[in-house]
Amino acid sequence: QSALTQPRSVSGSPGQSVTISCSGTNSDVGGYNYVSWYQQHPGKAPKPIIYEVSKRPSGVPDRFSGSKSGNTASLTVSGLQAEDEADYYCSSFSGSTHVLFGGGTKLTVL
Amino acid sequence: QLQLQESGPGLVKPSETLSLTCTVSGGSISSSSYSWGWIRQPPGKGLEWIASIHYGGATYFNPSLKSRVTISEDTSKDQFSLRLSSVTAADTAVYYCVREWELLGDFDFWGQGTLVTVSS
Repeated sequence: QSALTQPRSVSGSPGQSVTISCSGTNSDVGGYNYVSWYQQHPGKAPKPIIYEVSKRPSGVPDRFSGSKSGNTASLTVSGLQAEDEADYYCSSFSGSTHVLFGGGTKLTVL
Repeated sequence: QLQLQESGPGLVKPSETLSLTCTVSGGSISSSSYSWGWIRQPPGKGLEWIASIHYGGATYFNPSLKSRVTISEDTSKDQFSLRLSSVTAADTAVYYCVREWELLGDFDFWGQGTLVTVSS
């Protein structure tokens, strides 16, 4: 099965907003409302920041928001802060193949 | 607070079997709402789901790894384990143990990860 497609990198200045896309098919992203996003700082384990497309775990700032349209999910980070600089991964439930991850996007805060 | 901790050898020889154990503290693996699994990340690369095991022993595998993977649980110790046979250098990665909500690909707790290097 192919990984979900994410841009390799995005960037923005402090205070701005950036959006990271995650493209799949109707067998994964488009077929289920079980898209998650993870933030990973260097040398650390991934941290869940969005689940079920748009829900935030307790403690995750509301600057992080998720959405989905068709076969593409998106993560928007508003009011960029220096600590948001990290790698971001999407994942989607994919039925018989269970779960797929995106290739990851490096967010740089300029 | 739930914590997951991986343990096992950091170096495995090619063609041998990689074995890792995850110990869960602050909670029990005997819950019908959760499954427990393994995800790996080769150095400098992305995440790859390996396998999950659900309460009662139902198992799920990444099709690309299925022939080489075994996942098991020991509920008496709140531990679950991974075995990956016939390893090659391509299996060198940080291996994370995770908790998964309802077998829906939502990994809500992660271990810190352990680097396993395949080399002679």
